[in-house]
Parts: sequence; structure tokens; C-alpha cells
Amino acid sequence: QSVLTQPPSVSGAPGQRVTISCTGSSFNIGAGYDVHWYQQLPGTAPKVLIYGNSNRPSGVPDRFSGSKSGTSASLAITGLQAEDEADYFCQSYDSSLSGWVFGGGTKLTVL
Amino acid sequence: QVQLVQSGAEVKKPGSSVKVSCKASGGTFSSYGFSWVRQAPGQGLEWMGGIIPIFGTANYAQKFEGRVTITADESSSTAYMELSSLRSEDTAVYYCAGTRDWFDPWGQGTLVTVSS
Repeated sequence: QSVLTQPPSVSGAPGQRVTISCTGSSFNIGAGYDVHWYQQLPGTAPKVLIYGNSNRPSGVPDRFSGSKSGTSASLAITGLQAEDEADYFCQSYDSSLSGWVFGGGTKLTVL
Repeated sequence: QVQLVQSGAEVKKPGSSVKVSCKASGGTFSSYGFSWVRQAPGQGLEWMGGIIPIFGTANYAQKFEGRVTITADESSSTAYMELSSLRSEDTAVYYCAGTRDWFDPWGQGTLVTVSS
């Protein structure tokens, strides 16, 4: 059972917009700790997609955006492309565990 | 930009220990923090612990406290993770990752298989 809760799967057609939620608690997201998002393509290491709630590293397309409100955060992907098919993870810090925690991951399928 | 290269796959017996290395190149090793994150087959990501080489002290996830040891050797720009008392549930890919509040970059991963 992950500390941060994500939907197991989402799907969308090419060109559509999808969102992935990440729900935490007053010990992590709700306590003001930043949320970060990772993309993991099959058979590869995760790669940071969004850091500090809404910042994109250089090289990440602006089709990817992040937001945070209260005890939750969201990753939005617009203009879906086949290459976006991957697993997506959120991550934050948890004060009750004194360590970093991840969501269980969301598998994105491009129909 | 720092690049992280990890040691190769390992097969271990239950009850034994494994030590995985993570060599950094292309940046200032001491200015980074390094964490270890594992991923069991078909499962999610799990932070195990981390270290900031310039300070030398490691901190560990409660789940692994007492069973994992994370160290860093500044002279070789290498971080290490040793996990003891291995059981079958420890079969996973182990990643090292540069750490600020987020994890970047990541090593390529090291598969550790625990089997009798």
C-alpha cells in the first residue's frame, strides 16, 4: 500500500488530454512538501518529468504540466502521443516516515 | 551533468548480503546527495535511503533500518548500497539516483535476484 495514491491506469486516444491524480495526506502533500513526477518507459529507469510541483526540466515537452492543491497533485498530458505510453509515478516527502515516498504508479495506455 | 553507472546483476542465496555500486562521472560528486530506490518485478518505486557524501551520514527508510547500509567513497566518486539478510521478496531492480528533493539523474539499475 503506497503512501501516495494514484489510479492504476488511465487511457486516451492520440491528441487527447489525460490527467493523473496523486492523493496524499497532511503528512506529505498537505504539509506543503513539493510533488515530483517521473516517467518510466518499458525496461528503462525512471526519468524526472516535473519537479517542484510544476517545473519542467529542459527537454521535457510543454505538453506535460503539473499542479498541486491541498493534499493532492495532478499531472496533465495534452496532445497525447504513442510515445507517451509509459508508467508515471508521483513522489513527495513524508514527515511521519521521515523519508521520501512514491505513488503506486499509473500505467498510461494510448489507444 | 552527472551520469551514474551501476554494477552488474547479482544472484544471491537467501540470508546472504549484496553490495551494489554506483559510480558518478561528469560532475562534482560531493555536492550531490545519492539515494537508492528499488522496484520489485511489476511493482512501484520504493525509497530505501540516501547519503550526502560531503556529510557522510546516511538516512534510511524505516522499513530497511538495520538491514541496509549506504556509504560513499569520495576518492572514487562511488556510492554503495549493501542489503543484508536477503529474502526472496528482495528480488528487484535497485537504482541509485542523484537526490535533491527529487531524484535526478538515475543509474541504469541493477537486478538483484534472491533464490535458493
